Amino acid sequence: DGGITQSPKYLFRKEGQNVTLSCEQNLNHDAMYWYRQDPGQGLRLIYYSQIVNDFQKGDIAEGYSVSREKKESFPLTVTSAQKNPTAFYLCASRPQGGTDTQYFGPGTRLTVL
Amino acid sequence: KQEVTQIPAALSVPEGENLVLNCSFTDSAIYNLQWFRQDPGKGLTSLLLIQSSQREQTSGRLNASLDKSSGRSTLYIAASQPGDSATYLCAVRSSGSEKLVFGKGTKLTVNP
Repeated sequence: DGGITQSPKYLFRKEGQNVTLSCEQNLNHDAMYWYRQDPGQGLRLIYYSQIVNDFQKGDIAEGYSVSREKKESFPLTVTSAQKNPTAFYLCASRPQGGTDTQYFGPGTRLTVL
Repeated sequence: KQEVTQIPAALSVPEGENLVLNCSFTDSAIYNLQWFRQDPGKGLTSLLLIQSSQREQTSGRLNASLDKSSGRSTLYIAASQPGDSATYLCAVRSSGSEKLVFGKGTKLTVNP
């Protein structure tokens, strides 16, 4: 089965804690993305990576960090510096060239207790 | 800065009706435009992608059009079904940018 997996589906964080959201794809896609979605809002780009060992900030990168050590994996860490982290987080990937369509994972819902 | 607006925010129709969802964008220098579907609590599913050089794309009962000069796209759904109930998101990739800019979506309810 090819696709994008995100884990966990639900995540609860205490204030002051860092948490890491997992995103894995077996589609052999070069580019990967992290978005945040708040109720009634469109998706906002946090970070993206076009190749291994390289990534760029999106529109709302403050309080987040990423790594891209492998083509298949693009984990997102939500740090304690992110003041309002409760949201739905979506990971996506896209092949370089081709149709340019982005393929999305099922999402992780993060709640701060 | 590219901004994407979707109107209406919510739409309720009886089953079988044809309907149109609207998307407008402020900067006409786009690379492509995509329509996505999102079911509650789920990820996004790509429906149609229109390149900047294209005027429309069709997939089954769905037809998306693009008018770059006026900064508009429409998603036409024919013979709507209750299974079409979802939130539909429009996203624009501007020329020279890697990013997609999303609208807030239109929540569609198709009543049996």
